[in-house]
Amino acid sequence: DVQLVESGGGLVQPGGSLRLSCAASGFTFSSYWMNWVRQVPGKGLVWVSRINSDVSSTNYADSVKGRFTISRDNAKNTLYLQMNSLTAEDTAVYYCSRGQGAFDIWGQGTMVTVSS
Amino acid sequence: DIQMTQSPSSLSASVGDRVTITCQASQDISIYLNWYQQKPGKAPKLLIYAAANLETGVPPRFSGSGSGTDFTFTISSLQPEDIATYYCQHYDHPPFTFGGGTKVDIK
Repeated sequence: DVQLVESGGGLVQPGGSLRLSCAASGFTFSSYWMNWVRQVPGKGLVWVSRINSDVSSTNYADSVKGRFTISRDNAKNTLYLQMNSLTAEDTAVYYCSRGQGAFDIWGQGTMVTVSS
Repeated sequence: DIQMTQSPSSLSASVGDRVTITCQASQDISIYLNWYQQKPGKAPKLLIYAAANLETGVPPRFSGSGSGTDFTFTISSLQPEDIATYYCQHYDHPPFTFGGGTKVDIK
């Protein structure tokens, strides 16, 4: 089965850091662009970041630029999101998703809570 | 950044009704527009890509149309399992903004 599984979420203090992981299986991970999308519980979807298949191109939402870093290890079939200088506004469910424009496969999400 | 204005924010319809949701982009995005369905506690699911193309496995009662700045998503005959929130999303260039969502429930 084609699958994405996120991990690494949890409770972190304001100003802290967290690294999310997204393990891919069932498809040729190295061939696909990948994304992170977040959602505050009860609110809408917000695109966060994108990385191309060979790691030569990345894009970020203005709200996370300079604080978050997207990366991937194609040998490990894993996508990452390093999140630094976290604030309460970063509290959300974080989803990884596959695709350059249309996001056709999504993980189940991992909750990140930024609170003291 | 491109803004996506989706309407209505919620609607209530009867089983079998035709349901229509609109999405307006703040600038021309050609056909670079997707529609997603999200059920409570679940990840979004891609239904329509490139404005009018049905994703594999999605029932044909779902359809999309439009280009430029104005887009429409239609459920031709609402079914109980269609209760969800629907989002449009552009992918003309980053950032890939989503619309605010339309919550659909049964009357």
